[in-house]
This record gives sequence, structure tokens and C-alpha cells, in this order.
Amino acid sequence: AQSVTQPDIHITVSEGASLELRCNYSYGATPYLFWYVQSPGQGLQLLLKYFSGDTLVQGIKGFEAEFKRSQSSFNLRKPSVHWSDAAEYFCAVGGDQGGKLIFGQGTELSVKP
Amino acid sequence: GAVVSQHPSRVICKSGTSVKIECRSLDFQATTMFWYRQFPKKSLMLMATSNEGSKATYEQGVEKDKFLINHASLTLSTLTVTSAHPEDSSFYICSARDPGGAGTFGSGTRLTVV
Repeated sequence: AQSVTQPDIHITVSEGASLELRCNYSYGATPYLFWYVQSPGQGLQLLLKYFSGDTLVQGIKGFEAEFKRSQSSFNLRKPSVHWSDAAEYFCAVGGDQGGKLIFGQGTELSVKP
Repeated sequence: GAVVSQHPSRVICKSGTSVKIECRSLDFQATTMFWYRQFPKKSLMLMATSNEGSKATYEQGVEKDKFLINHASLTLSTLTVTSAHPEDSSFYICSARDPGGAGTFGSGTRLTVV
């Protein structure tokens, strides 16, 4: 079955601390992987995507993610979190570029001063 | 960058009425758009794939007669919730396949049925 698992429903980090959000996927074909961020009541903004090539991808707002095929993971990282990063983060997998996506359940990030 | 506009952002309707939600790709053509539904504190669930000039493809369990999708042009897809009931209250989000190779999402529509 195709699925995306984000094990952490809610994470709290201190401002300036590093961040890692976990994402594991199950997909029967070559996966196209995405991380999106959503502020309350808003749509989704693409942070980064992995289609092929270098397994470490850089995104906007200082985020990066590493694709590890052997672990079926695509974890999102940021070296220093800012208060404005507080939001809901979704990992997603699809079978092609820009096609329909399967989303994880999301991780809510809180940032404390 | 690619922009997808979704309208309205919020709508309240009476039970039994129909509501239309528009999804427009502003600076690119989108032969394919997608409609998702998001419940509070929950993930996004794909409802249907909207194909320009042809019938939409619905995911299993989604009532095609309740959620009517029309994709009459390369920049516009509409979702009509027919005979809405309180259980249809939700956050609906569309996305379009953009030239950059990822899905660009609209800002969503909060539907409340009273």
C-alpha cells in the first residue's frame, strides 16, 4: 500500500535550535517526494522536492531534506529555527512530477522563545 | 513563480444549497488540477483529478454526484458541492501541475454548512 508516515504529530523546539522532521514512505514505484508547509487557514507552500539526482536537496527558508532510499525516508532539517517557522509541515509522495499526492498526517511545529 | 488562485476563501451556506469553488492557474496552463479535502488537524485527502476537456477522475469513496468537477479551460477548474450538508463542512484545497514540476496549491476554501 502507498502511504506516508510522519511519526511526530507535534514537535516543540527552542528558537535557534536545530530541527528535524521525520518522514517515511511506502511507494511501489520511483517516488517523487515533497515537503510542504501550511499556516493556519492557509494553503500549502512548497518547501522543497526530490525527483532524482543528489539525495540532499535544498529548499526555501533554509530547509533541506535528505532522501535515503534504503530507509524509505525523506527527513526535513533546518539548522536554526526561527519563530516564524511555527506551522504545520506535510510530507508527500507522488508518482510523477506535479501529479496527485499522498500526504502524511502532518507535524505541527511550535517554536518557543 | 506559478500561482494558483482559489475563490472564495470562506463560504457559509445553508444545508441543501450548492456551493461552487473556483481554482485558477494565473500564469500557466494546467491541463490537470487536483482537489483535496482537509479535516481539522488532519492530513489532506485527494478527492479527484480534474482533467481539462474530459471527465474528472474520482478517488474511491468520493461521491461524484455530490462533488461536481468541471475543467472547461486550461486555467480554470471548479468544484461544486451539491445539496450541501453539515458533514460537508471542511477545508477544500486545489492544486495544479505547474511548469516547474511540482504541485502548486491554492490558498484553500473554508466551507461551513449550517
